[in-house]
Amino acid sequence: GQQVMQIPQYQHVQEGEDFTTYCNSSTTLSNIQWYKQRPGGHPVFLIQLVKSGEVKKQKRLTFQFGEAKKNSSLHITATQTTDVGTYFCAGPIGGADGLTFGKGTHLIIQP
Amino acid sequence: KAGVTQTPRYLIKTRGQQVTLSCSPISGHRSVSWYQQTPGQGLQFLFEYFSETQRNKGNFPGRFSGRQFSNSRSEMNVSTLELGDSALYLCASSSRGGIQTLHFGNGTRLTVT
Repeated sequence: GQQVMQIPQYQHVQEGEDFTTYCNSSTTLSNIQWYKQRPGGHPVFLIQLVKSGEVKKQKRLTFQFGEAKKNSSLHITATQTTDVGTYFCAGPIGGADGLTFGKGTHLIIQP
Repeated sequence: KAGVTQTPRYLIKTRGQQVTLSCSPISGHRSVSWYQQTPGQGLQFLFEYFSETQRNKGNFPGRFSGRQFSNSRSEMNVSTLELGDSALYLCASSSRGGIQTLHFGNGTRLTVT
């Protein structure tokens, strides 16, 4: 069925290295959202992208929405230990079925 | 503003029992969604309520049900529990119905033995 795919599933980086997670949808999305879940916590909304080709920045985080509105990426520059967690993308696939979440990318940072 | 509150935080039940989970949304939010989170399947949408009406429903069996009250608080019920129902159940509220950004609660960790 319609879904949102996220890669990689796990990413180990050294502190200070960059990190990128990619999200691909089987259908065109009206918008895409990104959430972060710390270990033992709950997902927290980071950002929503709406326009084709949109790029938004939040300090060291850069979010992009593809031109075809079917893919998105999150890039973190110079990771810090506070960036540890799972990053989810989510989109409204199928119209009436709520937000569909990707399975997330677990970011593990080695000091 | 207080966040989304879910009770209880932890629950242990045995197979065949039923369970009711509670969610109080952020004040002023009228939409409440429920998600099941497991390591294998990730976050899966259960249902959404807006103004006491179920607007959307995910692909879960009829054992999973919910309701919303006039004060926007919501409950979800799972009957005839199965081992596979063990999961973190997350409630999220948003100010309007439809596809809005979600504010999640801390979740209820349900273990079925």
